[in-house]
Amino acid sequence: AQSVTQPDIHITVSEGASLELRCNYSYGATPYLFWYVQSPGQGLQLLLKYFSGDTLVQGIKGFEAEFKRSQSSFNLRKPSVHWSDAAEYFCAVGAGPSNFGNEKLTFGTGTRLTIIP
Amino acid sequence: DGGITQSPKYLFRKEGQNVTLSCEQNLNHDAMYWYRQDPGQGLRLIYYSQIVNDFQKGDIAEGYSVSREKKESFPLTVTSAQKNPTAFYLCASSIAAGGFKDTQYFGPGTRLTVL
Repeated sequence: AQSVTQPDIHITVSEGASLELRCNYSYGATPYLFWYVQSPGQGLQLLLKYFSGDTLVQGIKGFEAEFKRSQSSFNLRKPSVHWSDAAEYFCAVGAGPSNFGNEKLTFGTGTRLTIIP
Repeated sequence: DGGITQSPKYLFRKEGQNVTLSCEQNLNHDAMYWYRQDPGQGLRLIYYSQIVNDFQKGDIAEGYSVSREKKESFPLTVTSAQKNPTAFYLCASSIAAGGFKDTQYFGPGTRLTVL
C-alpha cells in the first residue's frame, strides 16, 4: 500500500521569500503524484500533478514540483510567495495502472503555510 | 458554471440521529468520492463510486452509507453507528472511472458537528 509523509506540520515564510514544502512517498511502482491546496474552510484545489516524463512539473499560481525517484520525493516550490499563498498544502499519491483493484488516492497530513509581511 | 456543490455548509445533529450530506456535480464526471478530514490527519477516503449504481468502501466506511442512483448525485449518510462523526466532509469527482490518475475536483465541504 502507498503512503505519503509531509514532515513539516507548519511553515512560516516571509512574503517574497522562496518556499519549499517537502513530500516523501512510499510506493513500489510508478506513482501518480499530486499537490493540492486548501484555503480555510474550503475544498481542495489541484496545484499540479506528475504521471511520467519530465520530472519538473509546472502548476498554477507559480508553483512547481520536482519528482526525484531516488529520494522518493515530490517537493513543492515557489520562488517568491505572496500573502495569498497562506493555506494548507496536501501532497497525495495515487496507485498506478498496474494496481487494479487497489486504486486510491492517499493524502499526506498537510503542511500549513503562514506568510508574514 | 460547472462544479460540485455540497449542502449544507454546516450541519448539527444530536447523538443517535442519522444525517445525510448532499453532493451534486454538473461536470458530467463518472467517478465520485467522499472524504473525511480531521485536524492533523489529512483526508481519508470513506466511499467512492466509479459508475452509477455501484460504489466501493474506502478506508473508513464503517458507520457510513452511500447511494449512487444518478450520475450527478452521491449522497452520504452518517449513521448513528459512526462513533466519532464530528468532522469536515469533502466530496470530489473525477472525469473517468479508470483509476485514480484523474484529477479530483472538490466541493467546498460540509462541517458536521454532533452535539
